[in-house]
Amino acid sequence: DQQVKQNSPSLSVQEGRISILNCDYTNSMFDYFLWYKKYPAEGPTFLISISSIKDKNEDGRFTVFLNKSAKHLSLHIVPSQPGDSAVYFCAGLPSGGSNYKLTFGKGTLLTVNP
Amino acid sequence: GAVVSQHPSRVICKSGTSVKIECRSLDFQATTMFWYRQFPKQSLMLMATSNEGSKATYEQGVEKDKFLINHASLTLSTLTVTSAHPEDSSFYICSARDRLRARVNSPLHFGNGTRLTVT
Repeated sequence: DQQVKQNSPSLSVQEGRISILNCDYTNSMFDYFLWYKKYPAEGPTFLISISSIKDKNEDGRFTVFLNKSAKHLSLHIVPSQPGDSAVYFCAGLPSGGSNYKLTFGKGTLLTVNP
Repeated sequence: GAVVSQHPSRVICKSGTSVKIECRSLDFQATTMFWYRQFPKQSLMLMATSNEGSKATYEQGVEKDKFLINHASLTLSTLTVTSAHPEDSSFYICSARDRLRARVNSPLHFGNGTRLTVT
């Protein structure tokens, strides 16, 4: 049972344009959602998060939108840069998550073409 | 920023042997470390939660006798894959949570992972 789904395994965009990465979840107990970026042969690095009580969080070029009723979130990167090319993982954290059990999606490979 | 060092980055071993993977938090103390496994084109799957000074908590379906976890200090956790078999070949990655910044939504810091190949 996949609780976090990233249905697009890959996405290709042109430099300067917007990248939109999508994520769906099934677990209503998720309280926070986090996005991680991963380069080859490196561990994931934290990018941005959003609490379930919010519908938007913005940090520079990165904005995460949460539609709780649709159990859907998306990461917007604008403008996209070639250095953004990486695998992006969406993760959910349930309420009472003191033990921090993140549930990850399969990831989406973003390629930003110069 | 916080750094988690994982060693080795790549290991090839023969079937039946054991492999130890180390995970160190370099500039912070981590009372809790997490071990994940990732198969190709799959998500990061949590294997176990490692707590300093106590037994690890394993996820359902993960054999604790096969994947031995030791968290002897606030900066080191080890994962030993015992009697490895080819099906254990995978990408293993650890993560740690800064003890002093343990808000519920504080991000985990990940190591760079270990690519294990069992021949």
